Amino acid sequence: AQSVTQLGSHVSVSEGALVLLRCNYSSSVPPYLFWYVQYPNQGLQLLLKYTSAATLVKGINGFEAEFKKSETSFHLTKPSAHMSDAAEYFCAVSDNFGNEKLTFGTGTRLTIIP
Amino acid sequence: DSGVTQTPKHLITATGQRVTLRCSPRSGDLSVYWYQQSLDQGLQFLIQYYNGEERAKGNILERFSAQQFPDLHSELNLSSLELGDSALYFCASSVGGDSTEAFFGQGTRLTVV
Repeated sequence: AQSVTQLGSHVSVSEGALVLLRCNYSSSVPPYLFWYVQYPNQGLQLLLKYTSAATLVKGINGFEAEFKKSETSFHLTKPSAHMSDAAEYFCAVSDNFGNEKLTFGTGTRLTIIP
Repeated sequence: DSGVTQTPKHLITATGQRVTLRCSPRSGDLSVYWYQQSLDQGLQFLIQYYNGEERAKGNILERFSAQQFPDLHSELNLSSLELGDSALYFCASSVGGDSTEAFFGQGTRLTVV
């Protein structure tokens, strides 16, 4: 079964600093990888997804992630944090092509320090 | 707004009771997924329906069941409720087929007392 591991359940960065949220995947086949964001009392919103078209994936709100097969990683980054980025972030992997159910990581809560 | 509508937003019920959660997918989406989010289990996939048929099953308890109706809305039925069933239940929808992007509703927060 595929799985993802998110390192760090809580990450704090200063406003304007680099955001780096870590995700490693375990998969025996080429994975479909996703980052979702959850704001308080809201559902999940897709930030970006990797579906093998390009290793560097750009998403919404200035976020991007790089798929590194050699490191089995899909870390999420943003050059400059904004206060509005404070939320919980989930990395997820989907099963084989055509089967879309997602397996989520445990989440990383991002806090922005003014 | 993702276009996925879940009702009710909040539900408080007693142990042993049965509840039904409802989900209306985005217009045109054929797949509906149910997820449970709890503090101890995190986000877990429960079940997927595609155009009325069950497509995939995850860690769904036997006390739980779901269905997707001809108009494509879905219901998740939870019975013999236990305190541990308290959680946020999300519905998501996607076009289906080879699409891999799912859009999530805002969830139904279930509290079992």
